[in-house]
Amino acid sequence: AQSVTQPDIHITVSEGASLELRCNYSYGATPYLFWYVQSPGQGLQLLLKYFSGDTLVQGIKGFEAEFKRSQSSFNLRKPSVHWSDAAEYFCAVGNFGNEKLTFGTGTRLTIIP
Amino acid sequence: EADIYQTPRYLVIGTGKKITLECSQTMGHDKMYWYQQDPGMELHLIHYSYGVNSTEKGDLSSESTVSRIRTEHFPLTLESARPSHTSQYLCASLGSAEEKLFFGSGTQLSVL
Repeated sequence: AQSVTQPDIHITVSEGASLELRCNYSYGATPYLFWYVQSPGQGLQLLLKYFSGDTLVQGIKGFEAEFKRSQSSFNLRKPSVHWSDAAEYFCAVGNFGNEKLTFGTGTRLTIIP
Repeated sequence: EADIYQTPRYLVIGTGKKITLECSQTMGHDKMYWYQQDPGMELHLIHYSYGVNSTEKGDLSSESTVSRIRTEHFPLTLESARPSHTSQYLCASLGSAEEKLFFGSGTQLSVL
């Protein structure tokens, strides 16, 4: 069975500081990996996805993520966060053959001045 | 960006009431999904549909039911709401060309 672990429930960083959100997955085949962001009162928005190829993927809003098969990880990074990045971030794994994604529990990001 | 709409945005009702959560998308997507999300928990798939007249139960057992009579419409119904149904319900549709799910803003349901 596929699963996703986001070990950090809540992270607080200063505006302008770098950010890394952790995601570990369990999947029986080559995974499709996603990061979604959910702002308060909003639906989820896709930040980036990895299907194959280059293991470092670029997304919207200056985010990037690196797929490391040996560590079963897909950590999300941003070199300099902005106050508008405060939101909840969800990692997900799945396969577009069955289109059923498994989501992690999310990491809430707080930005302080 | 998303053309997927959920109504109502918030709903507070009493136990035993029948409710329907609406979800509509204007993108012509065949595949649609309902997720249930509790605070601090992962999203759980409760229903999905691959097209008109196709509905399947998801990974998380739910007392709700769904229907898919039209491509653009995927409503979720609870025949008799209970406090245990209090949660956020997110609807999504799959854009095959974009290879991603489009999510609605969700319905926050509170059953008293």
